[in-house]
Amino acid sequence: DAKTTQPTSMDCAEGRAANLPCNHSTISGNEYVYWYRQIHSQGPQYIIHGLKNNETNEMASLIITEDRKSSTLILPHATLRDTAVYYCIVRPSSLLSSNYKLTFGKGTLLTVNP
Amino acid sequence: DTGVSQNPRHKITKRGQNVTFRCDPISEHNRLYWYRQTLGQGPEFLTYFQNEAQLEKSRLLSDRFSAERPKGSFSTLEIQRTEQGDSAMYLCASSRRASPRAGELFFGEGSRLTVL
Repeated sequence: DAKTTQPTSMDCAEGRAANLPCNHSTISGNEYVYWYRQIHSQGPQYIIHGLKNNETNEMASLIITEDRKSSTLILPHATLRDTAVYYCIVRPSSLLSSNYKLTFGKGTLLTVNP
Repeated sequence: DTGVSQNPRHKITKRGQNVTFRCDPISEHNRLYWYRQTLGQGPEFLTYFQNEAQLEKSRLLSDRFSAERPKGSFSTLEIQRTEQGDSAMYLCASSRRASPRAGELFFGEGSRLTVL
């Protein structure tokens, strides 16, 4: 699986947009970008995923660069409850059984400040 | 609440004892995963089931670890002769079959193991 690089930590003011970057320069054409987050003492939670196009759902927006070598997760109006570790994960879309698992890195600790 | 249930939530045991964790996935999910997470690290993959078949095991899963999913529903993870290095959060997740939704894993809240 392609490796991802994320900043160790970021801060954001409550009510402002949080923009979390991820570098995945070795991503291949059939690999999706997934974002998960993990609030303290809870299991990881799926946020969003994409292949080429930008995606938006009720939680966040995902912006993938045209060359697909990096992406940004945007939380449009961060709240204190968004304080969590955010993981950017690249996963192949192949139907091979070994490709169904997700490989987590250390992620970015986002702290939303009042 | 994601619908994935794990028990017990916390387990304290002495070195050398056996422990067993149970995971009840979302009922229509046929894929089930076990992960382990230590402090400051992301979750590490341990093993994966599709229905009752265990299709992949990580090298992290030593022979003291065994996982089962006998009827393709709930799963158990047993650790024999526990060591202090086994202290961690053990996370279970489930997902649907079809790709790319197969990447949408639903995690339980985990079972925290402390080995004294």
